[in-house]
Amino acid sequence: DAKTTQPPSMDCAEGRAANLPCNHSTISGNEYVYWYRQIHSQGPQYIIHGLKNNETNEMASLIITEDRKSSTLILPHATLRDTAVYYCIKGRVTSGSRLTFGEGTQLTVNP
Amino acid sequence: DTAVSQTPKYLVTQMGNDKSIKCEQNLGHDTMYWYKQDSKKFLKIMFSYNNKELIINETVPNRFSPKSPDKAHLNLHINSLELGDSAVYFCASSLSPGLPTSYEQYFGPGTRLTVT
Repeated sequence: DAKTTQPPSMDCAEGRAANLPCNHSTISGNEYVYWYRQIHSQGPQYIIHGLKNNETNEMASLIITEDRKSSTLILPHATLRDTAVYYCIKGRVTSGSRLTFGEGTQLTVNP
Repeated sequence: DTAVSQTPKYLVTQMGNDKSIKCEQNLGHDTMYWYKQDSKKFLKIMFSYNNKELIINETVPNRFSPKSPDKAHLNLHINSLELGDSAVYFCASSLSPGLPTSYEQYFGPGTRLTVT
């Protein structure tokens, strides 16, 4: 069975970069990697996605390895408001776009 | 302006009752979803509608019936509520399936359902 692995928890100091890793046991050539986060008691929030190139937007950067089995979400200057559960999800563009959430990584940003 | 809104935010009801949760999005999306987050915090998709047509129907008891009167609304009706239905229900919306952007889903604030 395909498995996505993320560390259950991570800590980061405020103002420092937070690097959140994700590994997929298998990933197809047409599967994208998506990152979401869920701040306590709120709905999940889309962050960024990529296929094989590194991506950057106003929220974060995404680094994807050449074999595409690993990715790292980078929050360049973490703030207390970035404390959340971060989910790495792969998705194939088909007729149904179901997000399959795993357990994610609880990131705690400390003052 | 709220992009995806749900009502009510909290719902407390007794076993056996029938209840509905409403969802509306003003993003111009044509695909909407219902997800369930249980007490262990696992988020699972339940249904998805594209242009008012059901396209995803996971293994959900038929006591749950989604209804999409138009592209901007997706309601969830639950009959004969059970204790195990207690959870947070999230509505989401996105652009049409078949594009990478269809996985960029915008979620509502959730409806916390408690069945006693």
